[in-house]
Amino acid sequence: DGGITQSPKYLFRKEGQNVTLSCEQNLNHDAMYWYRQDPGQGLRLIYYSQIVNDFQKGDIAEGYSVSREKKESFPLTVTSAQKNPTAFYLCASMGQFNQPQHFGDGTRLSIL
Amino acid sequence: GENVEQHPSTLSVQEGDSAVIKCTYSDSASNYFPWYKQELGKRPQLIIDIRSNVGEKKDQRIAVTLNKTAKHFSLHITETQPEDSAVYFCAAPPYGQNFVFGPGTRLSVLP
Repeated sequence: DGGITQSPKYLFRKEGQNVTLSCEQNLNHDAMYWYRQDPGQGLRLIYYSQIVNDFQKGDIAEGYSVSREKKESFPLTVTSAQKNPTAFYLCASMGQFNQPQHFGDGTRLSIL
Repeated sequence: GENVEQHPSTLSVQEGDSAVIKCTYSDSASNYFPWYKQELGKRPQLIIDIRSNVGEKKDQRIAVTLNKTAKHFSLHITETQPEDSAVYFCAAPPYGQNFVFGPGTRLSVLP
């Protein structure tokens, strides 16, 4: 969707390094989400935020951290504690319950 | 919590034939049912959704049918085309809860 921008499109992480994935939306949505997708697999929820300055762990939060200081922005940090970070990361937002989630174009993270 | 399953996991059809993918869910409080299409290397995109007060919804070659009593809903694609080849995901979030996506169905439309 044009309203959700993820950057960078490709990212490489060195051993022991933290990296941050950016997600910005201009849809005025309250809720934002981070998903991880491994090759040939489904979507697994990492973290979500339903309002500014509040966020909750999803199913696979270990090794990740987030912040939600602004309504438009929900960056995801992949820490060195995440030993297998290679995956496709998708950010999504949603305006209200019983409405669709809208996805960004994703960031593909690989290990150097 | 909500459990969402999809069947089949892979589906191959000849171009022009119909394809049907079924999604079953466990939480009877679910009342919103979206279907997403994800092409290789791209983001999931909503293709059709339905709410629990409606039994069927159609948009050109795509339709979704809902059976709340049996807790399943199905995606129907008619007159399939090569560009329909993708992975399709369903979700069935109860109101106020996060989406739980099904594991996906890989559809291949053979020329």
